[in-house]
Amino acid sequence: DSGVTQTPKHLITATGQRVTLRCSPRSGDLSVYWYQQSLDQGLQFLIQYYNGEERAKGNILERFSAQQFPDLHSELNLSSLELGDSALYFCASSVGPAGAPLHFGNGTRLTVT
Amino acid sequence: ILNVEQSPQSLHVQEGDSTNFTCSFPSSNFYALHWYRWETAKSPEALFVMTLNGDEKKKGRISATLNTKEGYSYLYIKGSQPEDSATYLCASRGGSARQLTFGSGTQLTVLP
Repeated sequence: DSGVTQTPKHLITATGQRVTLRCSPRSGDLSVYWYQQSLDQGLQFLIQYYNGEERAKGNILERFSAQQFPDLHSELNLSSLELGDSALYFCASSVGPAGAPLHFGNGTRLTVT
Repeated sequence: ILNVEQSPQSLHVQEGDSTNFTCSFPSSNFYALHWYRWETAKSPEALFVMTLNGDEKKKGRISATLNTKEGYSYLYIKGSQPEDSATYLCASRGGSARQLTFGSGTQLTVLP
């Protein structure tokens, strides 16, 4: 058990809808990362927060947004969902902003129909 | 965005064989190189984080080396066991990117 909790585990929704994925980092970790894994693709970096502030941003769509709250949990909001957004979304946390290993949650499987 | 390449894409070895994989990354403004092990139906688990040129790390039968000047890292598994079957990911942070970019992984299958 990595100590990183992601909810929900599975999410099925229709095109055009909006969903929120939640991540609670491992106790003591200040950094939260979001990655997307689409079918037959590797882990694509979306965004990183460190202690509430945005630290790095990848090719995250404008329809997607995220934030890290004062209690360090993070939410990834996906809106105007398209079929191509169906993927496994991983949250990971680490102690520091840059050199520490990542601890991954079990992921949220999003299916857009 | 960093370009992190891993080879081979997949590998089948016999139990007891030793094997190694390669991770290539841009050497400019290098910061850190990570290795992860990702078993089917689980989430990736960290093996090593290396930051210094010439670094060597070891965990049991698995070890890794780092060459930041030429931009590559090797992961070695000695005496492969079926339980070593997994996808091995490397990730690099460096250049102008502050993000940790993952390669596509090497999928290892160890045949009994």
